[in-house]
Amino acid sequence: DQQVKQNSPSLSVQEGRISILNCDYTNSMFDYFLWYKKYPAEGPTFLISISSIKDKNEDGRFTVFLNKSAKHLSLHIVPSQPGDSAVYFCAASATIQGAQKLVFGQGTRLTINP
Amino acid sequence: KAGVTQTPRYLIKTRGQQVTLSCSPISGHRSVSWYQQTPGQGLQFLFEYFSETQRNKGNFPGRFSGRQFSNSRSEMNVSTLELGDSALYLCASSPDPGRNQPQHFGDGTRLSIL
Repeated sequence: DQQVKQNSPSLSVQEGRISILNCDYTNSMFDYFLWYKKYPAEGPTFLISISSIKDKNEDGRFTVFLNKSAKHLSLHIVPSQPGDSAVYFCAASATIQGAQKLVFGQGTRLTINP
Repeated sequence: KAGVTQTPRYLIKTRGQQVTLSCSPISGHRSVSWYQQTPGQGLQFLFEYFSETQRNKGNFPGRFSGRQFSNSRSEMNVSTLELGDSALYLCASSPDPGRNQPQHFGDGTRLSIL
């Protein structure tokens, strides 16, 4: 039962253009969503998050959009840079009995071409 | 501010053995979560500890266990190792598990079972 899905295993984008990574979820209990970036041999690094009471959050080149009715979120990176090449994970969180539990998608490998 | 520290970084064991992995959270963080990452499976939640108590548990067999000490450091133990336990084990910490805030990850322990 995959509660968080990233349907694109990989994405290739030209440097300077916009990268759009997508994520779908099924559980209506999720109220907090996050994006992480992961380089090989390193742990995931937190990028940006959004609460379910918002539909957009922006931080520099990164913007996360949340569509609750569609149970869909996306990460926009603009402009894309070669250093953005990494695996991106979306995660969804529900707080149950005071404890936060993150559920991760399978990841999307983003490659930025010069 | 030091990040999440996991030791050891690499470990090789044989089937049937047991292993203990260690995690030191970011100073001031009281919640520690553990995840298993395998190729094609993404990050799977193992368990979460807060104030030396397990608050949340994923769908893993009882061979996987953990504990948290009074200084918030955590250990994870896997007994009777199987080939399928080969994975990257990641630890993440956050200040307070009851609030929506990002978890910050260490670089993981790469466990290989021969």
